[in-house]
Amino acid sequence: KAGVTQTPRYLIKTRGQQVTLSCSPISGHRSVSWYQQTPGQGLQFLFEYFSETQRNKGNFPGRFSGRQFSNSRSEMNVSTLELGDSALYLCASSGGTTDTQYFGPGTRLTVL
Amino acid sequence: AQSVTQLDSHVSVSEGTPVLLRCNYSSSYSPSLFWYVQHPNKGLQLLLKYTSAATLVKGINGFEAEFKKSETSFHLTKPSAHMSDAAEYFCVVSETSGTYKYIFGTGTRLKVLA
Repeated sequence: KAGVTQTPRYLIKTRGQQVTLSCSPISGHRSVSWYQQTPGQGLQFLFEYFSETQRNKGNFPGRFSGRQFSNSRSEMNVSTLELGDSALYLCASSGGTTDTQYFGPGTRLTVL
Repeated sequence: AQSVTQLDSHVSVSEGTPVLLRCNYSSSYSPSLFWYVQHPNKGLQLLLKYTSAATLVKGINGFEAEFKKSETSFHLTKPSAHMSDAAEYFCVVSETSGTYKYIFGTGTRLKVLA
């Protein structure tokens, strides 16, 4: 099976702009989770989607949002970008009967 | 609330010597515990998972971990380090109270000396 894919792999944006990141889960997986990784804060959970519904949410401001489509692909959107949003954004998918998450390679976002 | 503590932020070993990366957890439920590895500029790769079937869990690349409930520990070991093991390692506990939410440790950076 193909693994989790994320696009784009690298992004450079300026403050105030918005950005959309995409994640395609492993075929058959219905849960997609998003994480932010920074040197200072480590890995932090953003949110999880399951069957197009947000099932869990971390402690991030409303500028961070997501959605999931009927084919389980997920997008994450960050509006009004700030310098502190520069990070590696990781997506992970899991099947419905297991909590094991499989991670994609990440999207490296740089905000200038 | 569940939490994970990785006791060492950096570990250095010589190639061919044993590796020990320490992890303690706190959980109100019967936890699922994981170890992941992250090589530079890459995503996280699953090394192994504990789910209660066996306390000694074998993973990929010669790694294994032992679940010790009395010590609330889940340390990762490998008998002989290889240069390719140099990476960052994350211990993770999964909340299984209805939804699967990962709680990550702060990571241990493993350096392997030639």
